[in-house]
Amino acid sequence: NAGVTQTPKFRILKIGQSMTLQCTQDMNHNYMYWYRQDPGMGLKLIYYSVGAGITDKGEVPNGYNVSRSTTEDFPLRLELAAPSQTSVYFCACSPLSGGSNTGELFFGEGSRLTVL
Amino acid sequence: GDSVTQMEGPVTLSEEAFLTINCTYTATGYPSLFWYVQYPGEGLQLLLKATKADDKGSNKGFEATYRKETTSFHLEKGSVQVSDSAVYFCALSVSNYKLTFGKGTLLTVNP
Repeated sequence: NAGVTQTPKFRILKIGQSMTLQCTQDMNHNYMYWYRQDPGMGLKLIYYSVGAGITDKGEVPNGYNVSRSTTEDFPLRLELAAPSQTSVYFCACSPLSGGSNTGELFFGEGSRLTVL
Repeated sequence: GDSVTQMEGPVTLSEEAFLTINCTYTATGYPSLFWYVQYPGEGLQLLLKATKADDKGSNKGFEATYRKETTSFHLEKGSVQVSDSAVYFCALSVSNYKLTFGKGTLLTVNP
């Protein structure tokens, strides 16, 4: 059981380039999230999705886009990379229980992105 | 808005020492509270949780009690091991599907 799989694990981008961080989960969870982790700053929510076809902004959505065409996949798109987007990105998913989100997130191993 | 404040690190302890990592929160509603742990090079994983006042979450020798009167959820362990070295995050959820995380506390346990 793979859980949450993120690719790539590492990437270096030049300013202005675009890329997509891939996230796939095989847990059949409804909720999916993208967080960024900066040193000493904890995790900030970028975007989240409560189900296929539904996405919404988190705390720090500027410069990013997402889509959720299937339950399994939740890619994060960076259109014009900037140095401020240098960070570690985590994808996570969360199940429903009794019609409510449990609050327990299952995380991928992270994608370290450097923008130079 | 909702927020979590946890003790600044890093925390360095010797093996078998007692651990406390303080966590306090501010929430507009009635939150569920969580502790997550991140081992080096890995994603976060849930350590324990509590969903109502006076609940005690526990796992792997770690404990935390939901204290509504002091808006706190301090993490404790009676005897830490080298393998407990990690970053610990306190978190809360009010909206039922979004978590707000603290900044994390790095714990290093020396043999």
